Amino acid sequence: GAVVSQHPSRVICKSGTSVKIECRSLDFQATTMFWYRQFPKKSLMLMATSNEGSKATYEQGVEKDKFLINHASLTLSTLTVTSAHPEDSSFYICSARSGTGGSNQPQHFGDGTRLSIL
Amino acid sequence: AQSVAQPEDQVNVAEGNPLTVKCTYSVSGNPYLFWYVQYPNRGLQFLLKYITGDNLVKGSYGFEAEFNKSQTSFHLKKPSALVSDSALYFCAVRDGNFNKFYFGSGTKLNVKP
Repeated sequence: GAVVSQHPSRVICKSGTSVKIECRSLDFQATTMFWYRQFPKKSLMLMATSNEGSKATYEQGVEKDKFLINHASLTLSTLTVTSAHPEDSSFYICSARSGTGGSNQPQHFGDGTRLSIL
Repeated sequence: AQSVAQPEDQVNVAEGNPLTVKCTYSVSGNPYLFWYVQYPNRGLQFLLKYITGDNLVKGSYGFEAEFNKSQTSFHLKKPSALVSDSALYFCAVRDGNFNKFYFGSGTKLNVKP
């Protein structure tokens, strides 16, 4: 149980392109989803917290207009990197937490998306 | 503010030997602590958590962790390491107010045959 699917797993595109990454909870309803960015050999940096039906909460220093987050249903959140540039190249990981069982439930992670901007 | 520290960038251990990956925490209030493992180009997999109760927590793949309140530590352990345990391990603490997870810097575990 508690499977999170992230798609695509890898994207290579030209500078200026907008890229959408999907995060789906396959067998549970996720009231909260999280988006992280991971640099090589580094820890995860929380970008934003996404709550179903409401606006995402962005961490300090993360550009809202650059990284658009939509959490339209209890099983899907999307991250759109708008007008991507080479410095946006990174490994993006989503996670989801079930709304049931209390807030101490672990986060369940997708397999990540390797984004490479040329 | 909540934070965790993983003092070792890398841990090397021979297969069959016990392993320990260290984590210390700093929290205000009750600590909610987690361990995750990450394989190359993959997301994180949940191993175990401590919320309350017994200080020794057992998790997936034979891993366990010991919560030590006086030393503010939550070290990950396994009695007998496998080569397949080689991966990146993250300790995390949950912020009780905002449901955020704060991750340590990660420790790369190398298990050699």
